[in-house]
Amino acid sequence: QVQLVESGGGLVKPGGSLRLSCAASGFTFSDYYMSWIRQAPGKGLEWVSYISSSGSSIYYADSVKGRFTISRDNAKNSLYLQMNSLRAEDTAVYYCARGHMYGYVYWGQGTLVTVSS
Amino acid sequence: DIQMTQSPSSLSASVGDRVTITCRASQSISDYLNWYQQKPGKAPNLLIFAASSLQSGVPSRFSGSGSGTDFTLTISSLQPEDFATYYCQQSYNTPYTFGQGTKLEIK
Repeated sequence: QVQLVESGGGLVKPGGSLRLSCAASGFTFSDYYMSWIRQAPGKGLEWVSYISSSGSSIYYADSVKGRFTISRDNAKNSLYLQMNSLRAEDTAVYYCARGHMYGYVYWGQGTLVTVSS
Repeated sequence: DIQMTQSPSSLSASVGDRVTITCRASQSISDYLNWYQQKPGKAPNLLIFAASSLQSGVPSRFSGSGSGTDFTLTISSLQPEDFATYYCQQSYNTPYTFGQGTKLEIK
């Protein structure tokens, strides 16, 4: 069965960096677009970024552009989100999700990132 | 960016009620509109994709309609497990924006 497992969240100071990982299993990872979506505590969903199956097409939300970098390693069935210059407003649960234009069917359980001094 | 506006933001209803949630896009998005249900502490669950296509495994009491800028999610007869927060999302143009959510509560 399809599984997406995020890791790498935690407490970081403003201006710091964190790298999130998403380990995929149960499907041919290299066939699918993957995305990161986040949810601040008590707030709604915010789309962050997607990467195409080959990694050749990447888009970001304006709120993270220039600070976050999405990448993937198809040989390791893994998706990544490098987050630099973190701000308090980046505090959220970060989900990886499989899908693209026809919605996100599969989601991970989420990993909490807290940016605080 | 395309703005997605849901109404109402919250809704109280009873088991067995018919409920409709509306989502409006700031520009035409054809039928690139998805609906999700989210329960506290859980990841969202895709209900409807492409405005009106029911995701596999989702009960038939859920339905979606609309195209262009105006969309609706209808639950024909509310069940206890349907009390949750619902989000629309456009996948027409990046960033793939979500609506602000509609919290469906028990009356």
